[in-house]
Amino acid sequence: LAKTTQPISMDSYEGQEVNITCSHNNIATNDYITWYQQFPSQGPRFIIQGYKTKVTNEVASLFIPADRKSSTLSLPRVSLSDTAVYYCLVGDSSGYALNFGKGTSLLVTP
Amino acid sequence: DAGVIQSPRHEVTEMGQEVTLRCKPISGHDYLFWYRQTMMRGLELLIYFNNNVPIDDSGMPEDRFSAKMPNASFSTLKIQPSEPRDSAVYFCASSFIRTGELFFGEGSRLTVL
Repeated sequence: LAKTTQPISMDSYEGQEVNITCSHNNIATNDYITWYQQFPSQGPRFIIQGYKTKVTNEVASLFIPADRKSSTLSLPRVSLSDTAVYYCLVGDSSGYALNFGKGTSLLVTP
Repeated sequence: DAGVIQSPRHEVTEMGQEVTLRCKPISGHDYLFWYRQTMMRGLELLIYFNNNVPIDDSGMPEDRFSAKMPNASFSTLKIQPSEPRDSAVYFCASSFIRTGELFFGEGSRLTVL
């Protein structure tokens, strides 16, 4: 299973762009990358998923370089309500990493 | 759909008592997952089912933990006997395919005194 490494915590001010990078050096050919967001006292919520290059939705963008050994979740112009824990998961149907670990705790301040 | 429904939302019990947590997955989802979240260990997968059959229970910490899924719309996670170190938030999640988007319930916060 591809192991992921992401920062334990990050701080940002309102209105800034936040980039959270996840390392997955042993990602397999069939693996794809998924990010979840968890607010306090709630279960995680799916944000975005991608395989290569760039994926964008109404919430975030996911940048994946050609070697796919890392990925970056980009949150444009964060607000206080983006304060949450963000998890990076990697895997495919045969070995999907379903353990979320501790994720990255993002704190957005005024 | 109402989403994944878990009960109880909060439970406080004494060491040695049996605890049963319940989960109703989203209708039509064929995968169901039980997770435990603590500050120390983060969000850990305990067990997951596919079409009501347990597929991987390697995350179940001890024999005191057991999970069942008698039908497609109901699952239970039981701890017997409970211990203080079992105090955590237990989440249930369901999905349409294993690698698809997981939908989580609001969790059951368990405190064992």
